Amino acid sequence: KAGVTQTPRYLIKTRGQQVTLSCSPISGHRSVSWYQQTPGQGLQFLFEYFSETQRNKGNFPGRFSGRQFSNSRSEMNVSTLELGDSALYLCASGYSSANTEAFFGQGTRLTVV
Amino acid sequence: AQSVTQLGSHVSVSEGALVLLRCNYSSSVPPYLFWYVQYPNQGLQLLLKYTTGATLVKGINGFEAEFKKSETSFHLTKPSAHMSDAAEYFCAVSVAGGGADGLTFGKGTHLIIQP
Repeated sequence: KAGVTQTPRYLIKTRGQQVTLSCSPISGHRSVSWYQQTPGQGLQFLFEYFSETQRNKGNFPGRFSGRQFSNSRSEMNVSTLELGDSALYLCASGYSSANTEAFFGQGTRLTVV
Repeated sequence: AQSVTQLGSHVSVSEGALVLLRCNYSSSVPPYLFWYVQYPNQGLQLLLKYTTGATLVKGINGFEAEFKKSETSFHLTKPSAHMSDAAEYFCAVSVAGGGADGLTFGKGTHLIIQP
């Protein structure tokens, strides 16, 4: 069974640009969550999607948004990038909730210059 | 809201020695507890989890953890460290049955294995 796949693995963007990250969950999983990992703040919850609906949202500005498609694939978008958005973005999937058992992808390393 | 405290940002043990990584949590409702491992430039791999039932949980790679409600702890142990265990370890908590905060992670403990 294939794991959680995140694309791309690495990205370099310029401040002010926008970026879209993609996550394909494990087959059969309907819950997808996104996390930001930085050396200073550690791992922080961004949001969770279930059956194409955002179920929960962390404490991040509106520049961070996401969506989920009918095949459970999810995308995360960050607009008007800031230097502080440089981070490893991790996607996790689960059957009913990524709160009860979350399987993580390898992440997308975003660098904002 | 829940929180996790991992005692010791760095832990160093000799190969073959006992590994003990400490985790204390705070939650107003019954928690789900997890340990994840992260290797450089990789995602998180689930080592083990506690949801309900037996408080001693066995995971992959010889790791186990014990849920102690009275001490609000979920320490991770391994009887004999191996060089391949060197990595970053994260303890996490979530609210049983779902919750608005996703998984709440500790700051992580970097495990160093001395030859």
